[in-house]
Amino acid sequence: NAGVTQTPKFQVLKTGQSMTLQCAQDMNHNSMYWYRQDPGMGLRLIYYSASEGTTDKGEVPNGYNVSRLNKREFSLRLESAAPSQTSVYFCASSEALGQYSNQPQHFGDGTRLSIL
Amino acid sequence: AQSVAQPEDQVNVAEGNPLTVKCTYSVSGNPYLFWYVQYPNRGLQFLLKYITGDNLVKGSYGFEAEFNKSQTSFHLKKPSALVSDSALYFCAVRDNAGNNRKLIWGLGTSLAVNP
Repeated sequence: NAGVTQTPKFQVLKTGQSMTLQCAQDMNHNSMYWYRQDPGMGLRLIYYSASEGTTDKGEVPNGYNVSRLNKREFSLRLESAAPSQTSVYFCASSEALGQYSNQPQHFGDGTRLSIL
Repeated sequence: AQSVAQPEDQVNVAEGNPLTVKCTYSVSGNPYLFWYVQYPNRGLQFLLKYITGDNLVKGSYGFEAEFNKSQTSFHLKKPSALVSDSALYFCAVRDNAGNNRKLIWGLGTSLAVNP
């Protein structure tokens, strides 16, 4: 059982380049999330999808877009990468249907992104 | 406004000794509380949660946490630490009432268990 799979695991970009981070879950979960993790900042929510077909902004959405392609997949796109977007990006999923829930989140192992 | 604090950036314990990782919170209603663990170069893994009921919650890998409403705390504990418990631990809280019910994450506490 793979759980939450993120690709790629590592990526180096130049300022201004674009890329899409991929995330897929095989647990039939309803909600999916994108976070970034930076030293001293903890986890910050970028975007989330409370159910298939819906997406909403989180705490730090600027510079990012998302697509909930189907129930399994939730991608994060950087249209024009900036050095401030250097971070570790985590995708997570949850059984929760809707934004507010007591269900735990299941995380992928992250994408380490460096922007030069 | 709701908030969560992990007052210690780092905790050091000797293997075999009990460990405590502290978490305090502030919410307007009743809290949903969570603990997660992150091993190096891995994603976060869910350890345990408190929603309602018994104040002592048992979770994965022998961890437990005690909900204390009067002290607004939810400290993570383990009776006997293992070197393999060395990791980053995150507390998270969600307010189950009011207009702001987003999940709020602590900044993490690095636990080092020394052999």
